[in-house]
Amino acid sequence: AQKITQTQPGMFVQEKEAVTLDCTYDTSDPSYGLFWYKQPSSGEMIFLIYQGSYDQQNATEGRYSLNFQKARKSANLVISASQLGDSAMYFCAMRGLTSGTYKYIFGTGTRLKVLA
Amino acid sequence: EAGVTQFPSHSVIEKGQTVTLRCDPISGHDNLYWYRRVMGKEIKFLLHFVKESKQDESGMPNNRFLAERTGGTYSTLKVQPAELEDSGVYFCASSQYVGTGVPDTQYFGPGTRLTVL
Repeated sequence: AQKITQTQPGMFVQEKEAVTLDCTYDTSDPSYGLFWYKQPSSGEMIFLIYQGSYDQQNATEGRYSLNFQKARKSANLVISASQLGDSAMYFCAMRGLTSGTYKYIFGTGTRLKVLA
Repeated sequence: EAGVTQFPSHSVIEKGQTVTLRCDPISGHDNLYWYRRVMGKEIKFLLHFVKESKQDESGMPNNRFLAERTGGTYSTLKVQPAELEDSGVYFCASSQYVGTGVPDTQYFGPGTRLTVL
């Protein structure tokens, strides 16, 4: 079975500081993809970053980076230089690539609040 | 380029009534997905269309839920009759076909918040 665990229901960070949002996963699929999405208060889900299990390097997209530790089955999102607009709900998701299904498995999310 | 759109944004209905949710995917996206988030829980997969065909409907809760995608464009999700436990936010997502063994990035709509009283 596949599972995503986000153990931090809520996080606070000071503006301009870096913050790490935790995500651990469990899967029997030998090949998989990991995703992070941001959901601001307006409701839309915004794709942030993707990491393939076969990728040698950690993914980066602007201020977002993914700290991928395959042996530990963790895919933590690091946001550098936090901004007030980063306040939102963040979801980690996974998709197996050999299981024949395209569905994403999501965690319960982490609500991030950036303080001025 | 327009993103995934969903209608309505909110719906409040009474138990036993029928509600139909609509999703318009990004133009050219063959894959269309429905997900649901019940308050405080994780977002859960409902089903997956490839064009007009149901590829995977393993997440559909029961036969009160009916999804269609006639013509392979927009999709509807009908709940009939609605029950209290159907309340939640229903998300639609779409993606391009990128081949087997390669993950597709799914782009989500803003969701429809359904409240069943």
